[in-house]
Amino acid sequence: GAGVSQSPSNKVTEKGKDVELRCDPISGHTALYWYRQRLGQGLEFLIYFQGNSAPDKSGLPSDRFSAERTGESVSTLTIQRTQQEDSAVYLCASSPLRTGGTDTQYFGPGTRLTVL
Amino acid sequence: AQSVTQLGSHVSVSEGALVLLRCNYSSSVPPYLFWYVQYPNQGLQLLLKYTTGATLVKGINGFEAEFKKSETSFHLTKPSAHMSDAAEYFCAVSPGGTSYGKLTFGQGTILTVHP
Repeated sequence: GAGVSQSPSNKVTEKGKDVELRCDPISGHTALYWYRQRLGQGLEFLIYFQGNSAPDKSGLPSDRFSAERTGESVSTLTIQRTQQEDSAVYLCASSPLRTGGTDTQYFGPGTRLTVL
Repeated sequence: AQSVTQLGSHVSVSEGALVLLRCNYSSSVPPYLFWYVQYPNQGLQLLLKYTTGATLVKGINGFEAEFKKSETSFHLTKPSAHMSDAAEYFCAVSPGGTSYGKLTFGQGTILTVHP
């Protein structure tokens, strides 16, 4: 069975350029999450899509960051006018979000973004 | 607001020795607690989680963790380390409820196992 997939696996860009990172969740998973992992640090929550509810964007570090999700499928994280401090591994996770349950998040392999 | 502190960014043990990875948390609501593991060149996978009920939680690969509310701790243990346990381990907390998925992670602990 397919897990969470992310593309590209690696992205090198120049400062000031825009980048798009893609996440394909596990089929049927209602919830989708984006995290950022800077070198030597833990994961930082960025954004959380939960079914048809409005996403929780409270972790987005600036208005240069945005994310979209089409229904219960693919999500795209966009970073505009990239800065060197945006360099990190961006991780996506999905979960079934069973009502009243205690979901496990399944993580993708991540996209390593390097901003020169 | 929640936070997680993992004591020790690197832990080194001998094969067969006890593994103890420390995690302390702060949370304004009863927390849900997790341990994730990241093997080299792989994604994170769940080791175990505490939500409600029994405070001693058993996970995969012989790991277990105990939720101690009075100490705000959720330390991860394994009685006997194996070479294959070498990985990075992350403790995480969530507030539960409708924000269940909003995990706050610790900075990670790299476990090295020596022959």
